[in-house]
Amino acid sequence: EDQVTQSPEALRLQEGESSSLNCSYTVSGLRGLFWYRQDPGKGPEFLFTLYSAGEEKEKERLKATLTKKESFLHITAPKPEDSATYLCAFFITGDSGYALNFGKGTSLLVTP
Amino acid sequence: KAGVTQTPRYLIKTRGQQVTLSCSPISGHRSVSWYQQTPGQGLQFLFEYFSETQRNKGNFPGRFSGRQFSNSRSEMNVSTLELGDSALYLCASSPNRGGRETQYFGPGTRLLVL
Repeated sequence: EDQVTQSPEALRLQEGESSSLNCSYTVSGLRGLFWYRQDPGKGPEFLFTLYSAGEEKEKERLKATLTKKESFLHITAPKPEDSATYLCAFFITGDSGYALNFGKGTSLLVTP
Repeated sequence: KAGVTQTPRYLIKTRGQQVTLSCSPISGHRSVSWYQQTPGQGLQFLFEYFSETQRNKGNFPGRFSGRQFSNSRSEMNVSTLELGDSALYLCASSPNRGGRETQYFGPGTRLLVL
């Protein structure tokens, strides 16, 4: 069964303290792994798409990497405005189409 | 380019009522998907519409339905509301269908069922 698991569930960092969020998956035929950021009361905001093992993408203080079994979201020198829930997802194939299968997310709090 | 818009943003209903939520996708996007988000279950797929046809459906009861119009705008309907239907309902659009298309989300409609 296709599954995605995110860890840790919650993470508290001090400003400037770098860390990584993990997204492990079991899926046959990965078509793309997606990272989103979600602020409270808002819809998920797209960050990255990774398609193949070894691929990396960067945006400001964020860097996403992908292996055959997991993806990491590295946060370098985070700032309080990076506080949010980070979601990873991949497409699963249903009887007649595709749907994004989301992990439960990692809630990140960055304190000054 | 304007993002995905959803109306209304907030809604309070009572058990047994029905509700209709609306979604306008990004201009040029033809695929619209709906998701339910709750603290316990996270984000769960409801259904996807493309070219005015439901293409895929998640594991939700028949009380949840939707439709898509020729301009790609979509509506979802929930009949006979239950307390457990309280959630954030999110709409996402993508240019086309397929497992490599990025989905862009709207701000959501917060539904509270009393």
